Amino acid sequence: GAVVSQHPSWVICKSGTSVKIECRSLDFQATTMFWYRQFPKQSLMLMATSNEGSKATYEQGVEKDKFLINHASLTLSTLTVTSAHPEDSSFYICSARRGGKGYEQFFGPGTRLTVL
Amino acid sequence: EDKVVQSPLSLVVHEGDTVTLNCSYEVTNFRSLLWYKQEKKAPTFLFMLTSSGIEKKSGRLSSILDKKELFSILNITATQTGDSAVYLCAVESGGGADGLTFGKGTHLIIQP
Repeated sequence: GAVVSQHPSWVICKSGTSVKIECRSLDFQATTMFWYRQFPKQSLMLMATSNEGSKATYEQGVEKDKFLINHASLTLSTLTVTSAHPEDSSFYICSARRGGKGYEQFFGPGTRLTVL
Repeated sequence: EDKVVQSPLSLVVHEGDTVTLNCSYEVTNFRSLLWYKQEKKAPTFLFMLTSSGIEKKSGRLSSILDKKELFSILNITATQTGDSAVYLCAVESGGGADGLTFGKGTHLIIQP
């Protein structure tokens, strides 16, 4: 099956610092990658969609200058949380899709971000 | 705006029982409905449904979609403690926004 990895699996940082999270598709090329956020006891909320080589599309209410997404290759997307604050503490999950709509999304194991 | 509503939000049953989880949706230009199981980490894929009335089955789990009434059910028979998890329903629309719209999930607890 298709495997998606995320790194790191958890990170604790001080308020005001930036944190980078990597999402890799290990055994397939992902034309599209997605970033979701999940707060405790809530469902996954789509933050942004990224296609390789083009700018990410952000959902309403998600600040593109705060959550920087880079999708430099067909197997790697990064999410950088800039100037993180405690309210950014959450579980960040990426998913990858090998084709267009209708193809299955494979999820990474998630990254637990805690901002002190 | 696409919407997915799951019920119940939580459910506690005994091992061996059969459970039915519900998912209703409102989506512009429906393409597919997906069920995921989430334990401590990221969701794992269970089913993708695109056509009404065709049951998908995997072991003790099965699911069916009704596109006229805009809902789906996930059945788990002969439940085991390992089935304890949050079950998420998500929909994918054919146009406009990419990505999945998730429901809040059903937290299922199987007691021995």
